[in-house]
Amino acid sequence: DQQVKQNSPSLSVQEGRISILNCDYTNSMFDYFLWYKKYPAEGPTFLISISSIKDKNEDGRFTVFLNKSAKHLSLHIVPSQPGDSAVYFCAAPISGTYKYIFGTGTRLKVLA
Amino acid sequence: DAGITQSPRYKITETGRQVTLMCHQTWSHSYMFWYRQDLGHGLRLIYYSAAADITDKGEVSDGYVVSRSKTENFPLTLESATRSQTSVYFCASKIVGGSNYNEQFFGPGTRLTVL
Repeated sequence: DQQVKQNSPSLSVQEGRISILNCDYTNSMFDYFLWYKKYPAEGPTFLISISSIKDKNEDGRFTVFLNKSAKHLSLHIVPSQPGDSAVYFCAAPISGTYKYIFGTGTRLKVLA
Repeated sequence: DAGITQSPRYKITETGRQVTLMCHQTWSHSYMFWYRQDLGHGLRLIYYSAAADITDKGEVSDGYVVSRSKTENFPLTLESATRSQTSVYFCASKIVGGSNYNEQFFGPGTRLTVL
């Protein structure tokens, strides 16, 4: 069973505060994870990724943390801005294939 | 403009009709994908292709067919549309290699309604 789960369908955060979006996975063979951001009426766009050989990757306000023992990754956005309001998907390629498994998404709303 | 485009952006059809959704990319990416997005399911892979004339099924391929005679085009056909195929469809492409070798680039989507 190869799943990527986002158990929180929505999240509201005040502007300037930290947003933490979570993702759990079941397959310990996943070796790469990606986060995508999606605005309404647009396609998803790549945000940040992390390889399983790392436990943290940072890009500006966005940091992804990977906890392999817990099969858990999280995306931190600091500080959150109203323009960050979007749906965020985590995804993982299935090793040895070019298939991807996506989570169900978390809708983030950053309140001004 | 360079990039990945989809047409039409919106489509309404009736049950039983054949519908083709178009996808075109200008990057000459080898890999192309079709996904559908439904509430509570996220993005689910319908079909993918590694190169022209090489295609394979994803997790929700029943009722869909694809072709890829040219690298830049990857049309998706619903042979006989059903209401359960009402969804937003995204096409995506990706390169082989590079620093973000696993990153996919998505088109803007086609919203399909089957009445």
